[in-house]
Amino acid sequence: KNQVEQSPQSLIILEGKNCTLQCNYTVSPFSNLRWYKQDTGRGPVSLTIMTFSENTKSNGRYTATLDADTKQSSLHITASQLSDSASYICVVSGPAGNNRKLIWGLGTSLAVNP
Amino acid sequence: DAMVIQNPRYQVTQFGKPVTLSCSQTLNHNVMYWYQQKSSQAPKLLFHYYDKDFNNEADTPDNFQSRRPNTSFCFLDIRSPGLGDAAMYLCATSRAGRATDTQYFGPGTRLTVL
Repeated sequence: KNQVEQSPQSLIILEGKNCTLQCNYTVSPFSNLRWYKQDTGRGPVSLTIMTFSENTKSNGRYTATLDADTKQSSLHITASQLSDSASYICVVSGPAGNNRKLIWGLGTSLAVNP
Repeated sequence: DAMVIQNPRYQVTQFGKPVTLSCSQTLNHNVMYWYQQKSSQAPKLLFHYYDKDFNNEADTPDNFQSRRPNTSFCFLDIRSPGLGDAAMYLCATSRAGRATDTQYFGPGTRLTVL
C-alpha cells in the first residue's frame, strides 16, 4: 500500500534553533517528493520538489534531503523564526507522469516559540 | 502578482442547500484541482481539469460537481451538503500534468454546514 509517514507528529522549538522533520514513504514506483508548508487556515505552499536522482535541495533556510534507496526524506529548518510555525507536509508522487496521484502525509505541526 | 484566488474564504450553508465555491487563477495554468481537507487530515483530491477535460476521482461522491467555463475559473458545486461535507476546500493549479510540476494552492474556502 502506498503510504507516507511523517515524524514527529508535532514539535516545539525555540526561536533561532534548528530542527529536522522526517518523512518515510512506501510509494512505488516513485517519481518525486515534495515538501509543503501549510499555515493554519491557509493553502499549502511548495517548499521543494525532488526527483529520485536528487538527494538534496535548498530553499532559503529550508533544506530537504532524499534517500531513494531507503525511501526517506528529511526537511531541515535552520535558524527558525516565529513565522515558521506551521504544518509541514511531505507529499510523494506515484507513477511517473501522473502528477495528480499525490500521496500526502499527515504533516508535522511545528511551533516556534520566542 | 500571479496567484490562485478563492471566494468566499468562509461559507456557511444549511444542510441540503446547494452551495458553489469559486476559484480563479492568473497563472494561465492548464490544470486546476479541487481538494477537500478535513481537520488534521491530508488534502483529498476530488477531481481536476486538464484544460477542458474533467477527471473525477473514483471515490468522489456524486454530490460534488465541478465546472470550468474558461482557463481562469473553476467552480465546485455541492448539490446537497451534508454535515460530513464541512471542511476546507482547496483549489490548486499546475502548468501541466507533469510529475515535477508544482501545484499552487489558493487560500482555501472554509465550509460550515448547519
